[in-house]
Order: sequence, then structure tokens, then C-alpha cells
Amino acid sequence: GAGVSQTPSNKVTEKGKYVELRCDPISGHTALYWYRQSLGQGPEFLIYFQGTGAADDSGLPNDRFFAVRPEGSVSTLKIQRTERGDSAVYLCASSPTGGWGYGYTFGSGTRLTVV
Amino acid sequence: DQQVKQNSPSLSVQEGRISILNCDYTNSMFDYFLWYKKYPAEGPTFLISISSIKDKNEDGRFTVFLNKSAKHLSLHIVPSQPGDSAVYFCAAIYSGNTPLVFGKGTRLSVIA
Repeated sequence: GAGVSQTPSNKVTEKGKYVELRCDPISGHTALYWYRQSLGQGPEFLIYFQGTGAADDSGLPNDRFFAVRPEGSVSTLKIQRTERGDSAVYLCASSPTGGWGYGYTFGSGTRLTVV
Repeated sequence: DQQVKQNSPSLSVQEGRISILNCDYTNSMFDYFLWYKKYPAEGPTFLISISSIKDKNEDGRFTVFLNKSAKHLSLHIVPSQPGDSAVYFCAAIYSGNTPLVFGKGTRLSVIA
């Protein structure tokens, strides 16, 4: 597609439930990033994929968070046993390679609210 | 600890005047710096960047200045326009395969 697509745009879930957030990057972009933006904060890095593999998952806050990119394109961020503190906007970005020369292209994000 | 700091959460400027947004960083290994602009309900969009080997990069109304010795960069917008009202994020990176590190952002309001 023309841009990075994230679905759903909004998700409200009950505490303790499982959620999946989807990211469809720009076609041909090999690098894909997940960030989380809490209220009043800048985007915080979660995980980075180069192709199908997670090149850096050091930003995942705990083992309730997991992400996959099985075919090197679409990625899914999975959160188990959601907590109210997980409420944030989850941003996905892609870039042509792992390089930073042209910055990342971000999607519009998924606003997750845990009630 | 924040590696990229934007100490002004907000800035208000009159239309036509210059807007100056500041950013400080602590990690001397950063070698590339970027500014992103974000409107409500949209993802951040890339605005302008600068390599650490330069001290200035200009693109139309937007100029970024880098002072490596002070670990400081600034974004100048001149003349400011109401459509520039948004949150501006400073970001930094080192090496090609590490993730961007963002500041907390500065909300710019350009008043007509």
C-alpha cells in the first residue's frame, strides 16, 4: 500500500484480556518497528524486525508482550493479560532497509485503552 | 534516563515570526538526528534531518542546527504558519540498525 496501515485504529479491552494489534508496512520495506506512545511522552521503542526476524526486542517491557512478522511483511503485536498501564498509542513504522537515512514512515497508530 | 531531551513542553508563536524548538542529547554516539511532526490522531511524519558531520541543514522554511560540542540541536521555522501547529519530536540514532530514540516532544501553537 501507499503508507503504513495499522488496525484497529482504536481498541478498548478489559483488564486481563488478550489483544492483537496489526501493522501492514509499506510494500518492500524490510525493516519494521513498533513503538508505544503514552500520554505526554515521546514514542518509546518496543521491537525491531529486519525481515522475518526480531533484530532487537530490548524495548519490550515484559513477557506479556510479543510480536511476530512471519512472512516479512505484516506484523502483529500481541499483549497478554492486559493491564491498565498498557493503555497507550501503539505506533508501527517501516523503512526500506534498517538504515536511518530517510527516517521511518509511521502509521497512524492503534489507541489501546484497557479498562 | 532520557537520552534525548526536549525541555519545553509547549511553545506559542505569532504567525510570520520565527519558531525555535530545542533539543539536547546525552549520548555522544548519536550520529544522525531527525525532527518529526505529529498532528492529532496521525502518526509522526518525517520533517528534516542532519548528520553529525554537518552543523546546518535547510529545507525551505525549516532549518536544523547542530552543535555537537554542546550536544544540542534546534529546529527553526521561519516564517511560522498556523498549519505548523503540531507536536514536534526530536529523535536521534547511532549506526544504521539501531532504533530511533525520541524526545518527549514540544507542542507548537502558531497564532494567527
